[in-house]
Amino acid sequence: KAGVTQTPRYLIKTRGQQVTLSCSPISGHRSVSWYQQTPGQGLQFLFEYFSETQRNKGNFPGRFSGRQFSNSRSEMNVSTLELGDSALYLCASSPGQEGEKLFFGSGTQLSVL
Amino acid sequence: LAKTTQPISMDSYEGQEVNITCSHNNIATNDYITWYQQFPSQGPRFIIQGYKTKVTNEVASLFIPADRKSSTLSLPRVSLSDTAVYYCLVGDKGPAAGNKLTFGGGTRVLVKP
Repeated sequence: KAGVTQTPRYLIKTRGQQVTLSCSPISGHRSVSWYQQTPGQGLQFLFEYFSETQRNKGNFPGRFSGRQFSNSRSEMNVSTLELGDSALYLCASSPGQEGEKLFFGSGTQLSVL
Repeated sequence: LAKTTQPISMDSYEGQEVNITCSHNNIATNDYITWYQQFPSQGPRFIIQGYKTKVTNEVASLFIPADRKSSTLSLPRVSLSDTAVYYCLVGDKGPAAGNKLTFGGGTRVLVKP
């Protein structure tokens, strides 16, 4: 089975732009979560989608949004980029409804200049 | 979600056993204890999960005392490739929890030759 796939692997943007990151979960997994990792703040939960509905949300501003498609693939969007948005964005998937173990992708490294 | 405290870093040598203790004094009755491993520029990888007593798999062992206020991850006979950051997480595994994980600072383990 293929693992969690995130694209692109690296991305460079400038302040004020917007960006869309993509995540393809493991086949059969219906839950997709997004995390932001920075050296200063560590790993922080952004939001989680299950069956195309946002089920959990972290404490991030509205500039961070996401969605999930019927095939469980998910996208994350960040609008009006700020320098502080530079981070490794990680996507994780899991099979079902319980808070079971997550399978993470390798992430998208976003640099905002 | 229960807060966790773990050492910032630990050094070890190849072939030794590494034990990382995590404190979680306010763990709730429904909470499980989960450990993840993360290598640089990769997403975290699930290692082990437990509720009480001892859990062992092909990678590690997890020791949980009766009061469950702490837990110890044991990595037997480490190799250089075990150099990574190890995260201890505590949270509800039930359906209501979704997949919102709260990562602490983690323990940076350095295995020396």
